[in-house]
Amino acid sequence: AQSVSQHNHHVILSEAASLELGCNYSYGGTVNLFWYVQYPGQHLQLLLKYFSGDPLVKGIKGFEAEFIKSKFSFNLRKPSVQWSDTAEYFCAVNAGGATNKLIFGTGTLLAVQP
Amino acid sequence: EPEVTQTPSHQVTQMGQEVILRCVPISNHLYFYWYRQILGQKVEFLVSFYNNEISEKSEIFDDQFSVERPDGSNFTLKIRSTKLEDSAMYFCASSDPPGSQPQHFGDGTRLSIL
Repeated sequence: AQSVSQHNHHVILSEAASLELGCNYSYGGTVNLFWYVQYPGQHLQLLLKYFSGDPLVKGIKGFEAEFIKSKFSFNLRKPSVQWSDTAEYFCAVNAGGATNKLIFGTGTLLAVQP
Repeated sequence: EPEVTQTPSHQVTQMGQEVILRCVPISNHLYFYWYRQILGQKVEFLVSFYNNEISEKSEIFDDQFSVERPDGSNFTLKIRSTKLEDSAMYFCASSDPPGSQPQHFGDGTRLSIL
């Protein structure tokens, strides 16, 4: 069965620090990969996605993620976080093909201190 | 930007009662989904719906659950006889055809079973 692991459950950073959130998935076939963000009191919003092509994907708000197929990983990065990045971040995988469902990781709660 | 809207934002129901959660997907989307998130746990897929029928469902989506698109705009999730363990945040999502995801999520309905 497919699964997604996010290694960091709670991350606390100071403003301007660099961020990297880990995401690993287990599925041997072709996958589509996503990072969603949930700001306090808001809905899940798409940060970025990978379907194919360049494994380094750039998203909104200065976020990027790198798909490393050999490591089954899709880590999220941002060089310099801001207080407004405080939110919960979810990695998700879709196996493509006939299934549409997203398999989510447990989420990482990021708190950025001013 | 078009949004997925869900009502109510919070529903409190006695155990054993029926509950209907409502969603208005983005108007030109054709695929609809329900997910749930039990407090402290990951977001879990429940069901996907296309062309007026269920295209995929998880093992969570048992006979107590049903979905319906009663008209051209609404998409509902019904739980016939609620249990305490149904308490969760329920998210509706919609998307264009597969291959051009991502799924767009609503704000969620917090369902509390007493």
